[in-house]
Amino acid sequence: IDLTQSPDTLSLSPGETTTLSCRASEYVGNNLLAWYRQKPGQAPRLLIYGTSNRATGIPDRVSGSGSWKDFTLTLSGLGPEDSAVYYCSQHGGSPLWTFGQGTKVE
Amino acid sequence: EVQMVESGGGLVQPGGSLRLSCAASGLSVSDNFMNWVRQSPGRGLEWVSHIFTGGETFYADSVKGRFTISRQSSNNTLFLQMNSLRLEDTGVYYCARVVYSILTGNSRSYYYYMDVWGRGTTVTVSS
Repeated sequence: IDLTQSPDTLSLSPGETTTLSCRASEYVGNNLLAWYRQKPGQAPRLLIYGTSNRATGIPDRVSGSGSWKDFTLTLSGLGPEDSAVYYCSQHGGSPLWTFGQGTKVE
Repeated sequence: EVQMVESGGGLVQPGGSLRLSCAASGLSVSDNFMNWVRQSPGRGLEWVSHIFTGGETFYADSVKGRFTISRQSSNNTLFLQMNSLRLEDTGVYYCARVVYSILTGNSRSYYYYMDVWGRGTTVTVSS
């Protein structure tokens, strides 16, 4: 299953809200879609699992939604700490795991 | 504290071998599904290999037949044996724990995601 994220890059101002898109080439079960954030020089960090469940320590201004082939990550009240690359990922099929190409948020 | 620390990366010539290690604390590598994920310079994330608790293993097509994932319970370490290395294997290699189910009260829900990641170890394949 291929995952295509859009847009590739977002340039935003503090306080804004944005939505990142992740589109799958085939059906993805809601329980199998996750979002990760990666800052420069760091390992990825889990943000959302099961499409809409926030990971431990993730504030409620980060939210996920979607179903079937279309999934979104919404970031509200943006601050400098949100600058990162965001990846969606799914489990299942072949290959066993896939990632989107990432959306860079500045 | 749950933590994983990778080691074993380095500079190797094409065709060479490396063995990566991922030492875990606060979790058991044998009682969890585990992944290796890599990231080529300036590029995105790529899944490499997965091992189930029962020992079944899976690989990305790009590394099948060349890489082997394994684990050792005695020192709670995950491994990735990499043979016949190619230039395109260059990157940062992360180990990650896979969560596949959550028990909330009396209800169990099934998900698949990676919740704990190591900091990564860098592999450079170059002549």
